[in-house]
Amino acid sequence: GESVGLHLPTLSVQEGDNSIINCAYSNSASDYFIWYKQESGKGPQFIIDIRSNMDKRQGQRVTVLLNKTVKHLSLQIAATQPGDSAVYFCAETTGGFKTIFGAGTRLFVKA
Amino acid sequence: DTAVSQTPKYLVTQMGNDKSIKCEQNLGHDTMYWYKQDSKKFLKIMFSYNNKELIINETVPNRFSPKSPDKAHLNLHINSLELGDSAVYFCASSQAPLVSLSVRRGLRYGYTFGSGTRLTVV
Repeated sequence: GESVGLHLPTLSVQEGDNSIINCAYSNSASDYFIWYKQESGKGPQFIIDIRSNMDKRQGQRVTVLLNKTVKHLSLQIAATQPGDSAVYFCAETTGGFKTIFGAGTRLFVKA
Repeated sequence: DTAVSQTPKYLVTQMGNDKSIKCEQNLGHDTMYWYKQDSKKFLKIMFSYNNKELIINETVPNRFSPKSPDKAHLNLHINSLELGDSAVYFCASSQAPLVSLSVRRGLRYGYTFGSGTRLTVV
């Protein structure tokens, strides 16, 4: 079946640096993507979304880039802070109904 | 005021027992979901209900039975618990069942998750 995968299971960055979390997806028909953040002991939390008719979307300190040619999604976090330490998931939706989550990337922020 | 609340937060039980997890959302959302997260953090959808109607029923053992008495509640009952059922179970809700429907309504599609129920079967 189709799946969403991540290039790196863990990422360690210095506080203040920028972080880039990557995601590869395999279903070229996917039309909607979301990044979620999951802190320890909590449920995933919506960060930012992007539709397939866009290639970039910016939020507060976060930017999502979508490259449909290579089926690649990335989350960029500017000036990473200790509070950004969490597991990050990309998720894809194809035509609605069901959202498929990737395996997750753990981000460690070193003080 | 918790948007999506699950009870209990922790559940430790013996193999063969029957247990239930409850979920309630006060967001006025139409659609609710159950996800299972394994020890490697992988999130897999189990069920989804839209206005009390089952719309997603993934390949899960029929020992798992969801029940939605109204659109604000989605409970999960598990019979004859097995060791492999140990996981964190997340309830979630969304404003609409479909991305396209969300777009037409000018809504954001993303899910709001509860804080999870850690089930340990011993």
